[in-house]
Formats: sequence, structure tokens, C-alpha cells
Amino acid sequence: KQEVTQIPAALSVPEGENLVLNCSFTDSAIYNLQWFRQDPGKGLTSLLLIQSSQREQTSGRLNASLDKSSGRSTLYIAASQPGDSATYLCAVPPWNQGGKLIFGQGTELSVKP
Amino acid sequence: EAQVTQNPRYLITVTGKKLTVTCSQNMNHEYMSWYRQDPGLGLRQIYYSMNVEVTDKGDVPEGYKVSRKEKRNFPLILESPSPNQTSLYFCASSVSGYNEQFFGPGTRLTVL
Repeated sequence: KQEVTQIPAALSVPEGENLVLNCSFTDSAIYNLQWFRQDPGKGLTSLLLIQSSQREQTSGRLNASLDKSSGRSTLYIAASQPGDSATYLCAVPPWNQGGKLIFGQGTELSVKP
Repeated sequence: EAQVTQNPRYLITVTGKKLTVTCSQNMNHEYMSWYRQDPGLGLRQIYYSMNVEVTDKGDVPEGYKVSRKEKRNFPLILESPSPNQTSLYFCASSVSGYNEQFFGPGTRLTVL
């Protein structure tokens, strides 16, 4: 059964730092991997989606990488800002289970001014 | 504006009183899904629908029902709510079950 893990559960950094969030999954047979952002009490906002055939995807200051063989994805945030403070979640749809989506527990990021 | 809407946003009810949480999307998406989010347990999938009249169980379907009679709507029905269904509920939609998912704003449900 696919399991998704995000470590650390919480991270605090000073403004301006570059940082990396980690996502691990146990079964490399995935269709894609999606990164989301969730602000407190709010819904999820899609940040990036990487197809299984891709190695990385970029959007502005965000860069997500995918290494299926090792079961890992990273989300790189450049020049962090206080507005980046939120919980970041990764999720994968298992290859042969169309429609299912399995989430990690998330990393709560705090960027201090 | 392309969006997923949920109603109500907040609901307090009592055990056993049937309720429906509505979900609607205006993006002509075929796929829709319901999740619940609980502290320490994260987001878990309740039910999903790949298309009209096609629904399937997620990881935590017990105590819930869904229907998909038209493409834009995917209501979540709690026939006899219990306190353990107190949670934050999200609806999502996508072009297909393998594409980028777009989430609604959430419904915070409290069952007393």
C-alpha cells in the first residue's frame, strides 16, 4: 500500500533563506506527484504537478524535483518570504488506482521576518 | 472564474440528523472527490467520481454517501452523522483522476 511521508513536520527559517521540503513515497509506481499549499483554515492551492516521466517542474521561486527510483520528491523555495508561511503537502495517485490520491502529512513552514 | 464551491462553509449539527454538503465546479471536470482532514491524520479520501453516475470508495467511506447525477455537482451525504465525523471536509475536481486537482474552500462540520 502506498504511503507518503513528509519530513520535517515543521520548519522555521529566517526570511531570504533558500529551503527544501521533502516528500517520500513507498511505491515508485506513481502517475504523477502534486505539491499543494494550505493556509490555516483554508483550502488547498495547487503549486506544481510533476508527471512520472519528468525530473523537475518550475514555477516562479518554486522548483519541484522527482526521483521515482528512490521514491523522493523535493520542493525548493528560493529567497523565502513571510508570505510563504503555510503548510505544504505532497500527494500521489497510485499508478493502477485511477482516482485515488494519497497525501503526506505536510510540512508546516514558518518564515520569520 | 474557475472554481470549486462548497456549501455550507460551517455547520454545527446533532447526532443522527441527516445532512448534505454540496459541491459544485464550473470547469466541466469529469473527476470529483471528497476528502476529510483531521489533526494528526492528515487528508483522507472519502469517495471519488470519475464521471457522471460513476462513484467509488476512497479510504474512509464508512458513514458517507455520494451521488453524481450531473457533471458539475457531487454532494456528500451523511445519513446519520456521529461525533467522529466532526472534521474539515474538502471537495476537489480535476479533468481526470490523474490530473491536477483543484480544491474547494472547505466545510467545517461539528457533530454534537
